[in-house]
Amino acid sequence: AIQMTQSPSSLSASVGDRVTITCRASQGIRNDVGWYQQKPGRVPKLLIYAASFLESGVPSRFSGSGSGTDFTLTISSLQPEDFATYYCLQNYHYPYSFGQGTKLEIK
Amino acid sequence: QVQLVQSGAEVKKPGASVKVSCKASGYIFTSYSIHWVRQAPGQGLEWMGMINPSGGSTNYTQKFQGRVTMTRDTSRSTVYMELRSLTSEDTAVYFCAREEAEEDYFDCWGQGTLVTVSS
Repeated sequence: AIQMTQSPSSLSASVGDRVTITCRASQGIRNDVGWYQQKPGRVPKLLIYAASFLESGVPSRFSGSGSGTDFTLTISSLQPEDFATYYCLQNYHYPYSFGQGTKLEIK
Repeated sequence: QVQLVQSGAEVKKPGASVKVSCKASGYIFTSYSIHWVRQAPGQGLEWMGMINPSGGSTNYTQKFQGRVTMTRDTSRSTVYMELRSLTSEDTAVYFCAREEAEEDYFDCWGQGTLVTVSS
């Protein structure tokens, strides 16, 4: 099974900061990665699919990159509503697998 | 609009089984796979498995093999996830999610069902 190693597990940042979250796959997975945002008590929300495609309605400050084994989610200028937990998900083949999550907190 | 509506919260005793439903609406039920994801309290997301409502084929992660069964009822546009031999470690919110057909991302989620396992 493919393992997704996500880092950091937590991150403190300020409004306006640029932040990057990474996921590394245990084997090559082309660009078959999505990024999801989850706020407490809420359903996960898709931000990025196929590693770099912005889901409709998601602000352009979110971007994704990577291919093969290394993937990144970047938020160019943090807004108050961005403080949440972020997960990568590989959908290259079954079993799908999530990263461990990155909790983004206000500094 | 596309919607997945899950059944309500459950409280079960250790050793029991639970069956959670996920009713789809707003799209052609048999055209999209449904996945199940769970989240234990304060923990991350865990992929459990999926079902293709068209033919009923399934794929489960090894951790749940032999203990989980995912089924569908096309007449009701509903999928079910049954988990057996429950322990306290199965206490979690269980989500169903629709998989977009071409790029394989989860584009619609159910609201989640809390399953509590307690003696």
